[in-house]
Amino acid sequence: NAGVTQTPKFRILKIGQSMTLQCTQDMNHNYMYWYRQDPGMGLKLIYYSVGAGITDKGEVPNGYNVSRSTTEDFPLRLELAAPSQTSVYFCASRSDREETQYFGPGTRLLVL
Amino acid sequence: AQSVAQPEDQVNVAEGNPLTVKCTYSVSGNPYLFWYVQYPNRGLQFLLKYITGDNLVKGSYGFEAEFNKSQTSFHLKKPSALVSDSALYFCAVRDKASGTYKYIFGTGTRLKVLA
Repeated sequence: NAGVTQTPKFRILKIGQSMTLQCTQDMNHNYMYWYRQDPGMGLKLIYYSVGAGITDKGEVPNGYNVSRSTTEDFPLRLELAAPSQTSVYFCASRSDREETQYFGPGTRLLVL
Repeated sequence: AQSVAQPEDQVNVAEGNPLTVKCTYSVSGNPYLFWYVQYPNRGLQFLLKYITGDNLVKGSYGFEAEFNKSQTSFHLKKPSALVSDSALYFCAVRDKASGTYKYIFGTGTRLKVLA
């Protein structure tokens, strides 16, 4: 049982490039979340999903896209990277019955 | 709209002393409240939560928190701090009455326990 896994751990992007941050969970959780963490700002919700095929915007969705074709995977897409997207990105999941979120180890992204 | 505030960026406490990390919240209905801890270069780990019932909630590693509805607070406490408790602590809230599945996190409080 690996929990929530994220790849890559670290990535440097040039302005305007695109990339996908991968998130996979093996706990059969319906709820999945993407957050970004910036110093002094805490965690901000980017997108979330309540099940396969269902996604919705969080607090800071601009510049990002998501999809949820399976229960296990919830990738986050950056289409045109900007320096403002330099951050640490965390994926989390939770079950229907439990409010506890389980977090992945994070992806550190640097946009130059 | 739901919100959560952690008024202290950093809390310093001597090892063996009691510690308190403050959190206040604002929701339209009744809250679900959480504390998470983050160690350097790691993801967040769940510490404890208040859903309903007893206002005093006990969690992992000897931490506890008290839900105070009149003061809209959910302060994290521990009777005797350890150096290993040094980490970044986040309070979070979900407004169960609004039907939202979103969680709002505070800005975090860095706890430093001095030997």
